[in-house]
This record gives sequence, structure tokens and C-alpha cells, in this order.
Amino acid sequence: KAGVTQTPRYLIKTRGQQVTLSCSPISGHRSVSWYQQTPGQGLQFLFEYFSETQRNKGNFPGRFSGRQFSNSRSEMNVSTLELGDSALYLCASRDVTAFNEQFFGPGTRLTVL
Amino acid sequence: DQQVKQNSPSLSVQEGRISILNCDYTNSMFDYFLWYKKYPAEGPTFLISISSIKDKNEDGRFTVFLNKSAKHLSLHIVPSQPGDSAVYFCAASVGNNDMRFGAGTRLTVKP
Repeated sequence: KAGVTQTPRYLIKTRGQQVTLSCSPISGHRSVSWYQQTPGQGLQFLFEYFSETQRNKGNFPGRFSGRQFSNSRSEMNVSTLELGDSALYLCASRDVTAFNEQFFGPGTRLTVL
Repeated sequence: DQQVKQNSPSLSVQEGRISILNCDYTNSMFDYFLWYKKYPAEGPTFLISISSIKDKNEDGRFTVFLNKSAKHLSLHIVPSQPGDSAVYFCAASVGNNDMRFGAGTRLTVKP
């Protein structure tokens, strides 16, 4: 099976702009989670989607939103970008029938200038 | 609220020696714990896991220990190899939901 793919891999934006990141999960995986990785903060949980519904949400402002499509592909949107949003954004998918192991994509490196 | 903490940002060990990476958690409801390894420019990959009904799980050179009373888990790598140099994240979840990760520990194994 192909792994989790994320596009684009790198992105440069300026403050105030918005950005959309895309994630395609492993075939058959219906759960997709998003994480933000910054130095010293580790992986901060953003949200999880399952069957097109947001199931869990982390402690991020409303500027961060996401959605999931019927084919389980997911998008994450960040509006009104701030310098502090510069980070690696990781997507992970899992088979909810297999206890908890998540498979991560390579991430999208977002730089906000 | 950092429910999973890895207090050592980095660790350096000599090849062939034991590497011990530590992780503490605050939520007593966590019942499943995992370790992930991350190389630069790649996403984290699953390494080993343990459920709260066990106190030890072993997979080759990797062993995870869980001390529920202390809310502490550790990952032992024996013997350490240069290829083990990576960032290690511990993670915990309640049931099948809402996995929380620590900040990571950068392990460097010197030849």
C-alpha cells in the first residue's frame, strides 16, 4: 500500500495570508489526524477526522480548521497567518480497527514571513 | 497543558551502550503508550507500544517499561547503534482516542 502523502512539501507565505494543506491517507484508513511540530513543543495535536466528521480537537485557535472528504482525504486550512504558525504540519492516518498505531506522512514545512 | 512530558531534549551515548529515553505523563486515564522515531525530513514512524495492563514490552533491541504508579515510561535501546540517531517521541492515549505526544528527545549515538 502507498503511504500517507502530503502536499505541498514546502510552502512560503506572508503574514495575513491563508493556506490549505492536503493529506491523502493510506488506502482503507478512515481516520486522519493533524499535528503541528515546532522545536521544543513536540507534536501538538490539532484535530482528528473520521468519516468526514471532526472527532477530536486540540487547543488551537479557530484560524485552524480542517475537513475530510468522502474518500478520506483531508485538508487543513490556516487563515490570517501569523509568524508563529511557521512549523512542520504532519498528517497521520490509522485503521481504527487496529489499536492506535498511526502512520505519518512526511509533513508540509510552512514558513510564514 | 502538556500531558506528556519528555524532560530531556537531547541524549548522547556511545555506540554499543544502552540508551534510556524517559517520558512522564499526568493523565491517569491514559491506557496506551507508544514510542515513535523521527528522522529529519520524514514523518515519525511507529517503534513500539505498551498497554497499561503490562509493565514491559520487548521488540529486539527495544524495550519499553511502564511504571503506572509513577506515571512514567522509558525506552531502552540495547545495544545502541549510530542508525538509532533520531528524535524519539513518546505518545499516550485514552482508549482509541486523542493521542498526545511529548516534545521529543534527540538521541545521538556516537561511533
